[in-house]
Amino acid sequence: QLVLTQSPSASASLGASVKLTCTLSSGHSNYAIAWHQQQPEKGPRYLMNLNSDGSHSKGDGIPDRFSGSSSGAERYLTISSLQSEDEADYYCQTWDTGIQVFGGGTKLTVL
Amino acid sequence: EVQLLESGGGLVQPGGSLRLSCAASGFTFSTYAMSWVRQAPGKGLEWVSGISGSGGTTNYADSVKGRFTISRDNSKNTLYLQMTSLRAEDMALYYCAKEATTSGTSPDYWGQGTLVTVSS
Repeated sequence: QLVLTQSPSASASLGASVKLTCTLSSGHSNYAIAWHQQQPEKGPRYLMNLNSDGSHSKGDGIPDRFSGSSSGAERYLTISSLQSEDEADYYCQTWDTGIQVFGGGTKLTVL
Repeated sequence: EVQLLESGGGLVQPGGSLRLSCAASGFTFSTYAMSWVRQAPGKGLEWVSGISGSGGTTNYADSVKGRFTISRDNSKNTLYLQMTSLRAEDMALYYCAKEATTSGTSPDYWGQGTLVTVSS
């Protein structure tokens, strides 16, 4: 079964960097994923697609502070030079034969 | 500029029906798959249904299969979600999303959502 696992919460200081993790279920370690951001009281926003080799393509207007990387079944979203507006929920998402799956989301707090 | 504007949400009794619409602009609508994603109050995102650019292929989450029907009118640049036999657990903010490809992989643009409340 295709499942994405995310830590429920993370925190980092203003101006620092943070690395969020999304783990693919067993047997799906070569799957690409997407990262989406949801700021409080707003609709989601697409950040990037991330392949198993770490290559990624970002959405329109996504700052260079956002980057992605991969290692085995782990997919990462790194946000550098954290700003207050980065405080949000971050969801990873993947797909297989027409079905899409979302991770449970990570709530990022900027201290 | 891609714009997705959902409408049709509202209050409905358990067992009732509702049809959501999503008016799309700023891209060649028929080229891209579209999907519906929902978010229950205080919960995460849940994919509901997707449809290919031509409308010939549809997919559903198990939780809504047999009760919801996704469709599109490419002449009107509009996506629909017909919801029947609504349950309390269907109460959520429903987002329309444009997919990055014609067949559906991941959303690359999202609407602002329309709220569906299921209550007697």
